[in-house]
Amino acid sequence: RKEVEQDPGPFNVPEGATVAFNCTYSNSASQSFFWYRQDCRKEPKLLMSVYSSGNEDGRFTAQLNRASQYISLLIRDSKLSDSATYLCVVGKAAGNKLTFGGGTRVLVKP
Amino acid sequence: DAGITQSPRYKITETGRQVTLMCHQTWSHSYMFWYRQDLGHGLRLIYYSAAADITDKGEVPDGYVVSRSKTENFPLTLESATRSQTSVYFCASKGLAGEETQYFGPGTRLLVL
Repeated sequence: RKEVEQDPGPFNVPEGATVAFNCTYSNSASQSFFWYRQDCRKEPKLLMSVYSSGNEDGRFTAQLNRASQYISLLIRDSKLSDSATYLCVVGKAAGNKLTFGGGTRVLVKP
Repeated sequence: DAGITQSPRYKITETGRQVTLMCHQTWSHSYMFWYRQDLGHGLRLIYYSAAADITDKGEVPDGYVVSRSKTENFPLTLESATRSQTSVYFCASKGLAGEETQYFGPGTRLLVL
């Protein structure tokens, strides 16, 4: 079983709609959680960290469920520019070594 | 502000040849990392370094060698390239132990024939 698992998608989303997806992690000792965004053939970039209380950054909301060992990302009012692969990332301590999920591809269409 | 750069961006080599991928960062970040990204596996950590002259293995270190003689450089060497090492290689860096964000270079696309 992979340490971090994601639905690869693609999630085809009409422009303006809401899309949400999860990732699960297997190591209960994990302490840091992130969503990174990766555009086609580009480097990953941090989208947002995920905190226990949940957090929001504009149209993006991230949630952490430690009991069930999953994190989620919700995108509201999807824009064409949101089309990308979203990587779920988990760290054991202080983020020094990160484990990446395979990514969830999102395609926003007009 | 160059940030983090990688060279070459594209490389074609043959099985058995030695190849060195370069990574350079201008932020004086303590930590540097090398990942490979393959379909079906996502990003996997090859090696990382906490500071100059300190390196440690990641998830998939076999066939790779790293060094960190200067804080700003973290070269990755494939001692004898194999076809299974065809991949996209990303270098990343971050500042302090408690800092969360890793910043990635643009990647090197390596094809081993």
